[in-house]
Amino acid sequence: EDKVVQSPLSLVVHEGDTVTLNCSYEVTNFRSLLWYKQEKKAPTFLFMLTSSGIEKKSGRLSSILDKKELFSILNITATQTGDSAVYLCAVPNTSGTYKYIFGTGTRLKVLA
Amino acid sequence: DAGVTQSPTHLIKTRGQQVTLRCSPISGHKSVSWYQQVLGQGPQFIFQYYEKEERGRGNFPDRFSARQFPNYSSELNVNALLLGDSALYLCASSSAYEQYFGPGTRLTVT
Repeated sequence: EDKVVQSPLSLVVHEGDTVTLNCSYEVTNFRSLLWYKQEKKAPTFLFMLTSSGIEKKSGRLSSILDKKELFSILNITATQTGDSAVYLCAVPNTSGTYKYIFGTGTRLKVLA
Repeated sequence: DAGVTQSPTHLIKTRGQQVTLRCSPISGHKSVSWYQQVLGQGPQFIFQYYEKEERGRGNFPDRFSARQFPNYSSELNVNALLLGDSALYLCASSSAYEQYFGPGTRLTVT
């Protein structure tokens, strides 16, 4: 059965710390992996990764994919209180239904 | 450009009632997906529609149904509501595997 597993489930850090969030997957016909940030409501899109070893970067956030070991990491450097959110990882299963399989998320809390 | 829009924002229903949620995708996106998200969990896939045809269905009972209109907007219907249907219902539109979510509809069943 297709699955996406994220770790840790929750994390508490202080402003300025660097965090690494993990996402491992087992999905038929892998094409891409997506990261989202969810605060109070809908998830907001962060990155889509399709190729191994190519880092995607946006400000203090970066992400990389390892298709051989079937995982991705999301790094946040110099964390701020505004980074407090649930970070979700999703992988589309493209064999027929095209459904996106989500992990349960990592809840990050950044303390001032 | 407008993002994904959903209506209503919040909804309170009683058990046994029926509800219709609405979604308009990003302009140019032909695919709409519906998700249910309960507290503390990631979104669970309900349906995907593409060009007005159902392309996928998750593990939800037949009380859940959906359709997509010629302008690519979509409706999700839930009949005979149960307390367990209380959740955030998310609509997403997608293009080439990038998927963008609307603000969601918070449904409370009492």
